[in-house]
Amino acid sequence: DAGVIQSPRHEVTEMGQEVTLRCKPISGHNSLFWYRQTMMRGLELLIYFNNNVPIDDSGMPEDRFSAKMPNASFSTLKIQPSEPRDSAVYFCASSHLTGEQPQHFGDGTRLSIL
Amino acid sequence: AQTVTQSQPEMSVQEAETVTLSCTYDTSESDYYLFWYKQPPSRQMILVIRQEAYKQQNATENRFSVNFQKAAKSFSLKISDSQLGDAAMYFCAYRSGAGGTSYGKLTFGQGTILTVHP
Repeated sequence: DAGVIQSPRHEVTEMGQEVTLRCKPISGHNSLFWYRQTMMRGLELLIYFNNNVPIDDSGMPEDRFSAKMPNASFSTLKIQPSEPRDSAVYFCASSHLTGEQPQHFGDGTRLSIL
Repeated sequence: AQTVTQSQPEMSVQEAETVTLSCTYDTSESDYYLFWYKQPPSRQMILVIRQEAYKQQNATENRFSVNFQKAAKSFSLKISDSQLGDAAMYFCAYRSGAGGTSYGKLTFGQGTILTVHP
């Protein structure tokens, strides 16, 4: 079975540009999570969805960040406008809704804002 | 809010030896799940092992086992017969089993870098 698929794997762009990260969860999973990983702050949960509905977006750093999940098989995380401090690895993870089920992570997107 | 603490930023072990990585957590909940994830240089997040808080028996997965001490809120990972491929960053994580907006969220520790010497 295919795992969580993220694209692009790497993104380099200039400050001020719009960035869109994409995620395809594992088929049948009904929870989806976006994380950010930096050296300074470690792994942080940005937002998560249950059954395509955003449940908790308290980790989204600012209004420049937005996330959508238009259907069960696709989610996006958008940054507009991007800033150098947004440079990080962004992970998407999915799981079944029940708490005992582990989250499966994608390979992450390494984002560099120049 | 739950917190997860990994007090060892770095650990090292000789190949074939045993190493234990520490993790403590703070919660007022009785229903929760604990996980260890491995992140090699390839940056993938790989699930190593999980433990349900309601289970008294410590989880094991081949060379990996945990020492779950619920009263002490401790969840250490033991790696036996260490191999070069075990070298990675290891993260301890907590997941609430209760309802509400905390349900399903993973809270991670800061990570422990494990080096394996040949």
